[in-house]
Amino acid sequence: SQTIHQWPATLVQPVGSPLSLECTVEGTSNPNLYWYRQAAGRGLQLLFYSVGIGQISSEVPQNLSASRPQDRQFILSSKKLLLSDSGFYLCAWSQGTYGYTFGSGTRLTVV
Amino acid sequence: SQQGEEDPQALSIQEGENATMNCSYKTSINNLQWYRQNSGRGLVHLILIRSNEREKHSGRLRVTLDTSKKSSSLLITASRAADTASYFCATENTGNQFYFGTGTSLTVIP
Repeated sequence: SQTIHQWPATLVQPVGSPLSLECTVEGTSNPNLYWYRQAAGRGLQLLFYSVGIGQISSEVPQNLSASRPQDRQFILSSKKLLLSDSGFYLCAWSQGTYGYTFGSGTRLTVV
Repeated sequence: SQQGEEDPQALSIQEGENATMNCSYKTSINNLQWYRQNSGRGLVHLILIRSNEREKHSGRLRVTLDTSKKSSSLLITASRAADTASYFCATENTGNQFYFGTGTSLTVIP
């Protein structure tokens, strides 16, 4: 069966420190992969999506970047975190039009 | 913005009552989906309705779609305390991109 792993579950990082959030998918090949962010009390914002290895599309200009070094691995990074980067980050995958499967999320607090 | 907008933002009902949430969007879509998110957790896919469908049922859930009005509604019948969560609609456009609304926070009072 298909599963998606996202870690860590919670993270507290100081301003200016780097960030690396990893997401891996099992049980499927060539999925579309997505990173979303949910600010407190707000809806989901699409940050990046990828339709294949090395193919990254960015939805909003920001302090973050994404990479897809392997078919089932999606990484969200930052060189220097800002306070405004705090939020709940969700990785998701989809194939066709069968909806998303989401990871359990990472709650990032930048202090 | 292509994001959907849910209405109301917050809804509080008694257990056993029906809960109705609405979603409006702006662009042409392939399908519209509803998700549930329990506090601090990932999203759970509830139901998908395609652009050529008008109504869909799944258990206690009923979803309608009116593409002429660019709107959808989610009805939860005979609500339970366990239904307490945030509910999001998401639209998938022709570019296979998903856009989520701001969500409706539902509280079901036992």
